[in-house]
Order: sequence, then C-alpha cells, then structure tokens
Amino acid sequence: AQKITQTQPGMFVQEKEAVTLDCTYDTSDQSYGLFWYKQPSSGEMIFLIYQGSYDEQNATEGRYSLNFQKARKSANLVISASQLGDSAMYFCAMNRFDFGNEKLTFGTGTRLTIIP
Amino acid sequence: GAGVSQSPSNKVTEKGKDVELRCDPISGHTALYWYRQSLGQGLEFLIYFQGNSAPDKSGLPSDRFSAERTGGSVSTLTIQRTQQEDSAVYLCASSLVFGAKMNTEAFFGQGTRLTVV
Repeated sequence: AQKITQTQPGMFVQEKEAVTLDCTYDTSDQSYGLFWYKQPSSGEMIFLIYQGSYDEQNATEGRYSLNFQKARKSANLVISASQLGDSAMYFCAMNRFDFGNEKLTFGTGTRLTIIP
Repeated sequence: GAGVSQSPSNKVTEKGKDVELRCDPISGHTALYWYRQSLGQGLEFLIYFQGNSAPDKSGLPSDRFSAERTGGSVSTLTIQRTQQEDSAVYLCASSLVFGAKMNTEAFFGQGTRLTVV
C-alpha cells in the first residue's frame, strides 16, 4: 500500500519569502508519480507540479519546484517568492504506474498562510 | 465540457433519504476517482474506476455507499439511508492513463457539498 505523510498541519510565512512544504511517502513500487495540489478556500483542487519516480531532475513549474530525494522518499514542494495568493491548503499525492490500479493517494495536507 | 462536471453542487437531504451524486469526467479520461472531504480535512479515497470497472472499492465506508460508471464516462455515487456523518464535500476527479513515465495528472470537479439534516 502507498502512504503519504505531511507533518506540517499549518505554516505561516512572510510574503516574498521562500517556503518548503514537507512530504514523505512510503511505497514498495518502483514506478510511481508524485503530485502537489493546491486547494484555496474556494474548494477547487488545482494541480501544481508532477514528478515521476524515474525522472532524474527535479520538476519545476514557475515558482514551484519539487525537491525529489528518492532514497529518502521525500518530495518536498518549494515555493519561491511567496505571494498572498499562495495562502491555501496544499496536498501531496502519489499514484502507481500499474495499469488498472492507479489509485491516487493523498496526504492530510498543510495549511499555508502568507503574512503581508 | 472542458472540465470535470459534478452535480448537484449542493444537496441538502433528510436523514434516511437516498442521494445520487453525478460526475461527468473529461472526455477520453479512462480513470475516474471519488473522494470525500470533511470540513477542514484531507481527501478520503472512496472508489476508483478504470473504464467501467472498479478495481479498488476499498474506500467505500459502508454498504450504504455504491458507485457505478457507464459507457466509460459518467459516474454516479449513491448513498442510501443517509446519516449525518455522511455530510461532506464529495469530489470527483478524472485522468488519462498512459502508464509508466507519463504524467497522469488528475483533474478535479468543483465537488458536491452534501448536508444531511
């Protein structure tokens, strides 16, 4: 079974500072994908970034980057130059590359609050 | 449509009544997921479809919950004899499935907020 752990229930960060949201995972699979989603107060789930287990380079998408450390089974999200609009819940998730069994498993989330 | 569509967006029902929640995934997406999110909580996995079959029903909390998917497209989640603890936002997501080394990002609908009174 796959498991995602997010140990930071809440974080407060000053605007314009960088922030790292922690995510560790547990799986016996060799092939898997790691995702980060943002959920603002409006409730929608917004995809941010993806990292495949075989990708050698860390994924980046604009201000978002994923610090992937496979040996440590961690997939931390780094947001550079935080903005007020970054205040939201952030969920780490993973799935397996096993056709017919690609269930997406989520962590419990981190509530990020950006302080002006 | 362009995105995942869920209906109704809000549903208030009396305890003991049955409810049906609908999800219309993105056209061509073979994988479909149902999740439940209680207020301020994370996403609780309910069921996953690959095409019309459900290889993983492990998250359904009781036999009052069932789901089906027809034509590899629309899915309905049915809750029978609703209880107050069923109150939550029910989220549906769909994704393309390519297999290894491909981004199988899941796109979410806006959710159905179910309130059992």
